[in-house]
Amino acid sequence: DADVTQTPRNRITKTGKRIMLECSQTKGHDRMYWYRQDPGLGLRLIYYSFDVKDINKGEISDGYSVSRQAQAKFSLSLESAIPNQTALYFCATSDTSTSTDTQYFGPGTRLTVL
Amino acid sequence: AQKVTQAQTEISVVEKEDVTLDCVYETRDTTYYLFWYKQPPSGELVFLIRRNSFDEQNEISGRYSWNFQKSTSSFNFTITASQVVDSAVYFCALSEVTGGGNKLTFGTGTQLKVEL
Repeated sequence: DADVTQTPRNRITKTGKRIMLECSQTKGHDRMYWYRQDPGLGLRLIYYSFDVKDINKGEISDGYSVSRQAQAKFSLSLESAIPNQTALYFCATSDTSTSTDTQYFGPGTRLTVL
Repeated sequence: AQKVTQAQTEISVVEKEDVTLDCVYETRDTTYYLFWYKQPPSGELVFLIRRNSFDEQNEISGRYSWNFQKSTSSFNFTITASQVVDSAVYFCALSEVTGGGNKLTFGTGTQLKVEL
C-alpha cells in the first residue's frame, strides 16, 4: 500500500462548487504540505502544517483552506472553485525526527474546474 | 527570496547518450538543502537525492550523478547512458530552513525525452 494517498485521484467540478481534496499518510510523519502544479510553473506551496495544531499559509493560499484532522490526515478545500484552480494537486509529508526532512509526495489529484 | 532556475525546458536525446540537467539557485541562507525529483509520465513525484549546503561532494548512484558547486550556485544532474525509462520531467528544488522545518521552492522542471 502507498505511504501517502490522495483522494480523489481525478475530479471534474463546476465553478462555484465546494471541493475537498484529502490526503492520508501511514509514514508517521508530523509535517504535511499541499502543492499545486501548473504546466510550466513547477510546484507551488499552498499550505503546510508542522503538527496538528500548526497551520501555515504558503505562497498561493488565496482561495484555499485546509484542515489537519489528525497527524495522518490533511485536507485541502476550495470553498468556491474557479477555473484557474484547475491543476494537479500534490500532498507531501516529511519527518522532523530525521536529519533529512525530505518531502515525500502522494500520487496527485487532477482537478478540473469548468 | 529563494529562487530555482531550470533554464532547459525540454531536452531530447537518443538512448545511450549522456545528458546533463542544469539547476541554478539563489538563496541568502547559509544553511539550505537541494533536491532533485523525477516526475514520470504517470504523474507521481519521486525523490531522487538531497544535498545539504555543507556537503559539496559529488554523488553517484548507478547511472545518476550530481555535481554541487556552491561557487556557481549550481546543482546539476547527469544521467549516463540514458534509457527510454528516464523520460520524465525532472525538478530541482531548494529548501528554506524555517523555524519549524523546510519549505521547498521548485524550479519549473526540465522535460527529458529519451528516444530509441
